[in-house]
Amino acid sequence: KAGVTQTPRYLIKTRGQQVTLSCSPISGHRSVSWYQQTPGQGLQFLFEYFSETQRNKGNFPGRFSGRQFSNSRSEMNVSTLELGDSALYLCASSLGALQAQYFGPGTRLTVL
Amino acid sequence: KQEVTQIPAALSVPEGENLVLNCSFTDSAIYNLQWFRQDPGKGLTSLLLIQSSQREQTSGRLNASLDKSSGRSTLYIAASQPGDSATYLCAVRPQTGANNLFFGTGTRLTVIP
Repeated sequence: KAGVTQTPRYLIKTRGQQVTLSCSPISGHRSVSWYQQTPGQGLQFLFEYFSETQRNKGNFPGRFSGRQFSNSRSEMNVSTLELGDSALYLCASSLGALQAQYFGPGTRLTVL
Repeated sequence: KQEVTQIPAALSVPEGENLVLNCSFTDSAIYNLQWFRQDPGKGLTSLLLIQSSQREQTSGRLNASLDKSSGRSTLYIAASQPGDSATYLCAVRPQTGANNLFFGTGTRLTVIP
């Protein structure tokens, strides 16, 4: 089975721009979660989608949003980028809420 | 709020040694705990998942234990190899079952040939 894939792998944006990241879960997985990883804050939960519905949300501003499509693929969007949004954004999928999460390789976002 | 701590932050051992990585969490109301490894610049690789009702899980040279009541987990790596060099992270899932993991700060392991 193919693993979790994320595109693009690297992005460079400037402050004020917006960005969309994409995640394709493992086939059959319906839960997709997003995390932000930075050297200072470590790994922090952004949100989780299950069957096209946002089920949980972390403590991030409204500039961070996401959605899930009927094929379980998910996108996250960050608007009005700030320097502090530079991070590795990781997507994880699982069969359900209580199953192991499997992570993709991440998208490295750099905001200049 | 759940806080997860991993000690030590970094560890360097000679090849062949057995080693233990520690993870502690402040809220014992967890559903399960998962151990991951992360290679530099890469995503996370799932190693072991322990349900709250379990005490141990084993996979090859890895053994993870869980003491929920004391808020502790350990990851034991037997006969360490240079390929084991990576950052090891533990993460707990709250008892609500919500799919948001709380991650530890990680232990960076270096195995010296």
